[in-house]
Amino acid sequence: GQQVQQSPASLVLQEGENAELQCNFSTSLNSMQWFYQRPGGSLVSLFYNPSGTKHSGRLTSTTVIKERRSSLHISSSQTTDSGTYLCALEPGYQNFYFGKGTSLTVIP
Amino acid sequence: GPKVLQIPSHQIIDMGQMVTLNCDPVSNHLYFYWYKQILGQQMEFLVNFYNGKVMEKSKLFKDQFSVERPDGSYFTLKIQPTALEDSAVYFCASSLNEQYFGPGTRLTVL
Repeated sequence: GQQVQQSPASLVLQEGENAELQCNFSTSLNSMQWFYQRPGGSLVSLFYNPSGTKHSGRLTSTTVIKERRSSLHISSSQTTDSGTYLCALEPGYQNFYFGKGTSLTVIP
Repeated sequence: GPKVLQIPSHQIIDMGQMVTLNCDPVSNHLYFYWYKQILGQQMEFLVNFYNGKVMEKSKLFKDQFSVERPDGSYFTLKIQPTALEDSAVYFCASSLNEQYFGPGTRLTVL
């Protein structure tokens, strides 16, 4: 079955608004990773986050292992943030399973 | 950041032919992966590879697929023979812990 559930499936924001993306897991996790997939297709790693909270610029990732969830917060969104955000679960060691992604559109 | 390279970026072949997709992983990484993504759909894990061996493979990793990394050179995915449903973008990744992805090879099987 689907081990990784992402929500929402799509999101439209006005530039400057904040976004909260969710990732829920049906199995225990060793770690998880957030990616941004550009409209052209390549993936950029945003966070490798086994637990707790990590910050990078306007992005914040929080993973709560015992609740089997992770979130990605984008503050003050910009049009260049548009694209697909993927989370990947690492249930064991070094095997990763992806969610279906959240498609984000930021309009000016 | 660390870069994973993939060659070629695009490949068009006739059904039934063999194709080899090449990946140049990050130099000190130990784990290597192939993923398949059909346009607009989910990223699907195919296989991971460590210490010269396949560690885990998914149901999508058909008998026609094989992987190898001879003597630290390219990490390759070979499909022989190809089928129409193999048309997709294939992504390679490598890791020590955090995964880094290549730009993908767009494979079109006619």
